[in-house]
Amino acid sequence: DADVTQTPRNRITKTGKRIMLECSQTKGHDRMYWYRQDPGLGLRLIYYSFDVKDINKGEISDGYSVSRQAQAKFSLSLESAIPNQTALYFCATSERDSERYEQYFGPGTRLTVT
Amino acid sequence: AQSVAQPEDQVNVAEGNPLTVKCTYSVSGNPYLFWYVQYPNRGLQFLLKYITGDNLVKGSYGFEAEFNKSQTSFHLKKPSALVSDSALYFCAVESDSWGKLQFGAGTQVVVTP
Repeated sequence: DADVTQTPRNRITKTGKRIMLECSQTKGHDRMYWYRQDPGLGLRLIYYSFDVKDINKGEISDGYSVSRQAQAKFSLSLESAIPNQTALYFCATSERDSERYEQYFGPGTRLTVT
Repeated sequence: AQSVAQPEDQVNVAEGNPLTVKCTYSVSGNPYLFWYVQYPNRGLQFLLKYITGDNLVKGSYGFEAEFNKSQTSFHLKKPSALVSDSALYFCAVESDSWGKLQFGAGTQVVVTP
């Protein structure tokens, strides 16, 4: 979805390196999410943010940190990358409302940690 | 706690035949159910959702899903599959924890000509 962009799209890094994945959205949504996808495990929530001042841990936040620089930007950092963080990472957004709105996903970042 | 199960890793169907992708869920409150599709090298795309009301929900690309509360199921269906429907399908559930989805492991659909 062009409204949600992720950079880089592919990244190979070495164990112990710090890496940042970036997400930008033009949808005007308040809520943003970071997921990782592993084969056979589906998507698992790493962190989520319901607005610029609200950051929450998800299911698997250990080893990750995030920054919500603006409504439109949400970055995910791996402070010291390890091989089991090799995965496909997705950013997503949704509207804030009393109804359950669907989430809109970026194209993903394929991260390989060697 | 909420959870989603997609019992089939892969579903194979011939083009023109009906397609069903199974999903069962477990939540402590009211379930809000979603189906997403992922094409190769793409992000997930929303297909349909059940929030309340009619148990049969219609979505994009001719897909529909039926909410069955007694069986805690939300199976995805398409009457006549196309080769272009070949993709990875995810069921997801949200309970009363606003905006937090729990995804199933995914089901690979392969439609052969």
